[in-house]
Amino acid sequence: GESVGLHLPTLSVQEGDNSIINCAYSNSASDYFIWYKQESGKGPQFIIDIRSNMDKRQGQRVTVLLNKTVKHLSLQIAATQPGDSAVYFCAEKGRSNYKLTFGKGTLLTVNP
Amino acid sequence: EAGVAQSPRYKIIEKRQSVAFWCNPISGHATLYWYQQILGQGPKLLIQFQNNGVVDDSQLPKDRFSAERLKGVDSTLKIQPAKLEDSAVYLCASSQRTGTGDSPLHFGNGTRLTVT
Repeated sequence: GESVGLHLPTLSVQEGDNSIINCAYSNSASDYFIWYKQESGKGPQFIIDIRSNMDKRQGQRVTVLLNKTVKHLSLQIAATQPGDSAVYFCAEKGRSNYKLTFGKGTLLTVNP
Repeated sequence: EAGVAQSPRYKIIEKRQSVAFWCNPISGHATLYWYQQILGQGPKLLIQFQNNGVVDDSQLPKDRFSAERLKGVDSTLKIQPAKLEDSAVYLCASSQRTGTGDSPLHFGNGTRLTVT
């Protein structure tokens, strides 16, 4: 759901399950997208990126899907582990500017 | 490789005081960014440098915030005078390229500023 003030969208999963975190981006001219993981007290950590000429990209235990038609990005985490618990941000960069703009973030909690 | 270094980790000041943050990017990274992250929100870009030149400072409150990267390596961000709403984490990031050359930003762990 939409986050207001301090309330982030949250996702709670059991250890070992697959997680899907969604992000709606705003700029149809965005051509580069990144997913970041942020643990408490730390800076955002790069997970995976994708360019607009692709619709899917896989990394280790993670997959990013891009649907440009509906301006939607998702991050899939396979076999989620307690260490995956964090806030996840999607970020987009426009073709005509250099600015990387972050979304609101989703709090993922993995229950052992 | 060593990551982005930031100091101090924490800072508490009273409103109307001044404060400065320091950042040393990853070696060889030409582009340096300062972001402000308010609790519960995503980071917001304040200023972006390419080497020692400013690429984008459109969201920097220039009446109170200033930043410099004189030798194209490390950078300082200053707030003078601070307001209560400046309480946030100030994140520095660096990347190898900018513009049409896409590369991910690598972030430091930030400076948590509390203005009382």
